[in-house]
Amino acid sequence: GAGVSQSPSNKVTEKGKDVELRCDPISGHTALYWYRQSLGQGLEFLIYFQGNSAPDKSGLPSDRFSAERTGGSVSTLTIQRTQQEDSAVYLCASSLTQGGGTEAFFGQGTRLTVV
Amino acid sequence: AQTVTQSQPEMSVQEAETVTLSCTYDTSESDYYLFWYKQPPSRQMILVIRQEAYKQQNATENRFSVNFQKAAKSFSLKISDSQLGDAAMYFCASRGSARQLTFGSGTQLTVLP
Repeated sequence: GAGVSQSPSNKVTEKGKDVELRCDPISGHTALYWYRQSLGQGLEFLIYFQGNSAPDKSGLPSDRFSAERTGGSVSTLTIQRTQQEDSAVYLCASSLTQGGGTEAFFGQGTRLTVV
Repeated sequence: AQTVTQSQPEMSVQEAETVTLSCTYDTSESDYYLFWYKQPPSRQMILVIRQEAYKQQNATENRFSVNFQKAAKSFSLKISDSQLGDAAMYFCASRGSARQLTFGSGTQLTVLP
């Protein structure tokens, strides 16, 4: 595709349920990032994938959060036993390389609401 | 660790006027990059402008320019000839040796017709 695609666009789930959020990066982009944006706040880093290297999971807030990237392309962020404080917009970004000045291209995010 | 601070939660500007959004940052690294991203209601973050810390010359992209004061760790964004389409949330961000971006809390810009 032409840009980073995320699905679903919106997700409402009941507290305690598991959810999966999907990200399709731009073809050929080796770096992929997940961020969380709580209402009216800046973006909080969650996890970073670069090629076949081990991911940087330093931003994951708890062990209920996990992510994988299959075949160096599509990524799935999984939240287990969702809590109300997990409600936020989850943004995915990809970039061609991991170079410091490289532009990160963002998707439109998934708005997660836990009721 | 890097930190980014945006002290103006909201700003407004009259159409065709100029507005400056403030950003300060803190880092112990010598090699880093600074960015301004725009987030319209569609939620998609769009890169507005970027600055390499080792370059003294301020970056410019059409109506958008920065005032990069390295010693003061300040990185403000100037929007000239503001247009209605500039209305959005603006985020300042930095990136150093850690490859993720560190974002400020954002400034909501309103453009008044």
